[in-house]
Amino acid sequence: KNQVEQSPQSLIILEGKNCTLQCNYTVSPFSNLRWYKQDTGRGPVSLTIMTFSENTKSNGRYTATLDADTKQSSLHITASQLSDSASYICVVSATGGFKTIFGAGTRLFVKA
Amino acid sequence: EPEVTQTPSHQVTQMGQEVILRCVPISNHLYFYWYRQILGQKVEFLVSFYNNEISEKSEIFDDQFSVERPDGSNFTLKIRSTKLEDSAMYFCASSENWGDTGELFFGEGSRLTVL
Repeated sequence: KNQVEQSPQSLIILEGKNCTLQCNYTVSPFSNLRWYKQDTGRGPVSLTIMTFSENTKSNGRYTATLDADTKQSSLHITASQLSDSASYICVVSATGGFKTIFGAGTRLFVKA
Repeated sequence: EPEVTQTPSHQVTQMGQEVILRCVPISNHLYFYWYRQILGQKVEFLVSFYNNEISEKSEIFDDQFSVERPDGSNFTLKIRSTKLEDSAMYFCASSENWGDTGELFFGEGSRLTVL
């Protein structure tokens, strides 16, 4: 069964600190993996998209990694800001279709 | 910057009523999607639409739901005979391509409350 599991479920960090969020998936055949940021009550906003051949991709203070062999991805946030407080969602797509599998997200709280 | 727009932002309806949620995708995009997010739960795929027909749909997208592109700009989700469990945030998304290069752009969502 195609699944996307994220950890931790929630995380509290101090402003300025770094953090890493994890995503494990069983989606097959794999097409791409995306990380989204979702503020409460808002639509998800794309951070990164990675295909099978990509190991790492950065977008400002966000760096995503992908290990297609172990089916794991991580999102590293550097020098966190209060505005980083949001849910971070890992989304995996399979080839041959339009369906996307969403993880439950990691709820990040950045405190001053 | 181009964006996906959705209306209404919030709709309250009585159980059994029909609801139409509207979306204006980004103008040069060819692929359109509806997703649902029940409060506190993960986002769930409902349906994808390309070339004026449904490309794929999930188990959630039963006969109660339908989608339509009535003109060159709007993309609608109709929910017939709403149920309490249809209460959720509904997100429209669009993409220029699909597959490995198909970045999804989401609207801000339409919150549906069924009483």
